[in-house]
Amino acid sequence: DAEITQSPRHKITETGRQVTLACHQTWNHNNMFWYRQDLGHGLRLIHYSYGVQDTNKGEVSDGYSVSRSNTEDLPLTLESAASSQTSVYFCASVSYRGPYEQYFGPGTRLTVT
Amino acid sequence: AQTVTQSQPEMSVQEAETVTLSCTYDTSESDYYLFWYKQPPSRQMILVIRQEAYKQQNATENRFSVNFQKAAKSFSLKISDSQLGDAAMYFCAYRSGSTNAGKSTFGDGTTLTVKP
Repeated sequence: DAEITQSPRHKITETGRQVTLACHQTWNHNNMFWYRQDLGHGLRLIHYSYGVQDTNKGEVSDGYSVSRSNTEDLPLTLESAASSQTSVYFCASVSYRGPYEQYFGPGTRLTVT
Repeated sequence: AQTVTQSQPEMSVQEAETVTLSCTYDTSESDYYLFWYKQPPSRQMILVIRQEAYKQQNATENRFSVNFQKAAKSFSLKISDSQLGDAAMYFCAYRSGSTNAGKSTFGDGTTLTVKP
């Protein structure tokens, strides 16, 4: 069965370190997204991609970057981790525009100390 | 930019009763989609129901139904015959139908407690 996976599921890192969160989907979806979810809040868009070599900034992109070298993967990099980036991160994908279901990964809980 | 507001941070319901969760949104677009997601303690995002803005008929999925009021920009979720397994956080989400394919804007969520 097709799926979307994230790794690691939990990560503790120190302030100032570079961190990369992996996202891999086997749906063959063109559109992929990274969201963050802070305690008691909804998901906010960090970055997104509509295809290979395409990346775009979301509403909370400062301090984050993504790259898209193939259809399956969209890694999220925190260039210099800050305590404000402690959050749960969700990767998601959807085939195209429309009411199609957006599939979410299981989330990565990141703690920056 | 679109905004989604869920004005009820917490709701509770007695098992087997009915509860309605509120959601309002703001947009200047005419083509869009609305969703309700359930997030249990496992953190997994689970699609509950979806509504296309061009459809006048309210969506229904088993015990879950929506009241979509396009002019009022309101999209409430009704859960009938509530079950203990319905306890979770529920998010309302907006997705544009014409541009920015797949980008979603989420409300802050409503935590639903189901009392036995």
